[in-house]
Amino acid sequence: KQEVTQIPAALSVPEGENLVLNCSFTDSAIYNLQWFRQDPGKGLTSLLLIQSSQREQTSGRLNASLDKSSGRSTLYIAASQPGDSATYLCAVRHSGGSNYKLTFGKGTLLTVNP
Amino acid sequence: EAQVTQNPRYLITVTGKKLTVTCSQNMNHEYMSWYRQDPGLGLRQIYYSMNVEVTDKGDVPEGYKVSRKEKRNFPLILESPSPNQTSLYFCASRNSTGNTIYFGEGSWLTVV
Repeated sequence: KQEVTQIPAALSVPEGENLVLNCSFTDSAIYNLQWFRQDPGKGLTSLLLIQSSQREQTSGRLNASLDKSSGRSTLYIAASQPGDSATYLCAVRHSGGSNYKLTFGKGTLLTVNP
Repeated sequence: EAQVTQNPRYLITVTGKKLTVTCSQNMNHEYMSWYRQDPGLGLRQIYYSMNVEVTDKGDVPEGYKVSRKEKRNFPLILESPSPNQTSLYFCASRNSTGNTIYFGEGSWLTVV
């Protein structure tokens, strides 16, 4: 059974700092991995998606990497801003016959202090 | 604008009183799913549907029903709600070949 773990559970940083969020998964047979952002009381917004054959994806100040063989992904946020404060979730989409299925981590609550 | 719309957004109900949470998407997506989000447990899949009249159980289907009579709608039915179904519920959709999944804003459900 696929398990997704996110470390740390919470992170507080001063504005302007670069930071890394971690995601690990137990089964490397994945179709893709996706990072989401969730603001309090809101739905999830997709940030970056990495296919299983890719190593990284970038969007603005965000960079996500994937090491499928070791079961790890990182989300790098450059020059953090208070508006980046949110919960960040990673989710893996299963491959093969279960590729309808997403398994989520429990998230990292990020606070960026002005 | 691409949207997944859930209703109601907030509901307090009593144990045993049947309720339906509606979900509608305007992107002609084949795949739709329901999740619940609980503190310390994260997001867990309840049911999913791969197309009209095709549904299957997720990880936590007990106490829930779904139907998919039309492509755009995927209602979540609680026949006899219990307090352990108090949660934040999300509907999501994507197309069969696409990767990006779109989420609704969530429905806060409290069962007393």
